[in-house]
Parts: sequence; structure tokens; C-alpha cells
Amino acid sequence: SYVLTQPPSVSVAPGQTATITCGGDNLGPKRVHWYQQKAGQTPVLVLYDDRDRPSGIPARFSGSKSGNTATLAIGTVEAGDEADYYCQVCDDSSDHWVFGGGTKLTVL
Amino acid sequence: QVQLVESGGGVVQPGRSLRLTCAASGFTFTRYAIHWVRLAPGKGLEWVAIISDDGTIKYYRDSVKGRFTVSRDSSKNTVNLQMNSLRPEDTAIYYCARVEADFWGGYLKFWGQGTLVTVSS
Repeated sequence: SYVLTQPPSVSVAPGQTATITCGGDNLGPKRVHWYQQKAGQTPVLVLYDDRDRPSGIPARFSGSKSGNTATLAIGTVEAGDEADYYCQVCDDSSDHWVFGGGTKLTVL
Repeated sequence: QVQLVESGGGVVQPGRSLRLTCAASGFTFTRYAIHWVRLAPGKGLEWVAIISDDGTIKYYRDSVKGRFTVSRDSSKNTVNLQMNSLRPEDTAIYYCARVEADFWGGYLKFWGQGTLVTVSS
């Protein structure tokens, strides 16, 4: 089955930039989406189609993809950005939708 | 506004059944596919199942295939997840979410608040 690999945790000081990676085989043609989930809350879409931001998501959130790795970057990190972040794709070869294992962002 | 409201969660013994419902409002229900996604304690988000806008296409993760069945009722604007032969590892918060853009590569912008399923003896 298709696997998306994320680092379990990322720590960053306030005001710095956090980068969270998401790796998967043949990721290039797939559309990668990113979700933020704070403790006890519903997931929130922060990026879709690799790099597009939904309305209401600050421009501090940006996305990119190179080869088999997609990256979520959060600029000028704030305490309120502490959350679990998940990447997600559709693996149409298996008719399965897949989430990465999640990355816990800690703001020091 | 778009609303998705899950219900039907609870505590159930292993091997028993439970039926979750996702009630949709604020949009044209028959135009959107719906996912079920779960979050188990201490784990990450996990895709469970998807049903197409017209209910004719359904896919499941391997661990629930043959035990869970997703369906939809356009007269009630609801999507159901019938869960049979429940196992302790099915314990999780279950969310329904609306698929945006297109069935295969679409993203999940609108989510319900989730309903907790606990499988325990």
C-alpha cells in the first residue's frame, strides 16, 4: 500500500520558519494536500494542490514539491501554530486515499 | 453555510455493530463525494472510506473492507457508515468530510466535528 512519510516532530523558535516534509513514491504527479489539527479540534485544510491556500489561511503557509518530496513551510511561526500537520494524497493505482503519519510542530 | 454533523458514536463491545450518520446541510448534497476519516488515540489521521456523489462508487481501507459499509440517502442528505464486527483497533473519533474539486485528487475543506467510537469489553 502507498505510504507517505513525515518526520514525527519538528521544533522551531517563535518567528522562525518551520518546514515539514512529506515523501512518497512517484509523488510528482499526485496532488498533495496539507491539514492542521490542533489538540481536540477538527482538522483544517491549510494547503491544497501542493501549494494553493484556501481562503482564510495566512500567506505564512506555503507549499512546494520537488521530485518525491512535498514541503509545507510555515513562516514567522507563532505559538498558535502548534499542532499536528498531515499531508494527504489519492493513490489512484490502489483506489486508496492516504494520510502521512503526521508531524507534531512544537513552538519552543 | 456548509455543515456536516456526525452522530451515532458510543461504546460498543468487540464483535458488535454501530451505525454512524453524517448529516449534511448548506450545499447541494448530490454534487459531492464524502469521505470518512478517523483519528485513533495517540495515532494519526487515517482514511476509512469514500462514497461518490451518486453513491455508485465506494472504496474502503483494507482493514475495514468487508466489515464497514458506506451508503448515502439523498432524500435525507445523509451519509451512513455501518460498522460491523468491530475491533478494539477501530476505537477512534470518526469524521466525515466533503470532497472538493474532484473525486480522485480532491481535498477536504469541510469537516464535521467528529463522533467518538469506543470498542471495549
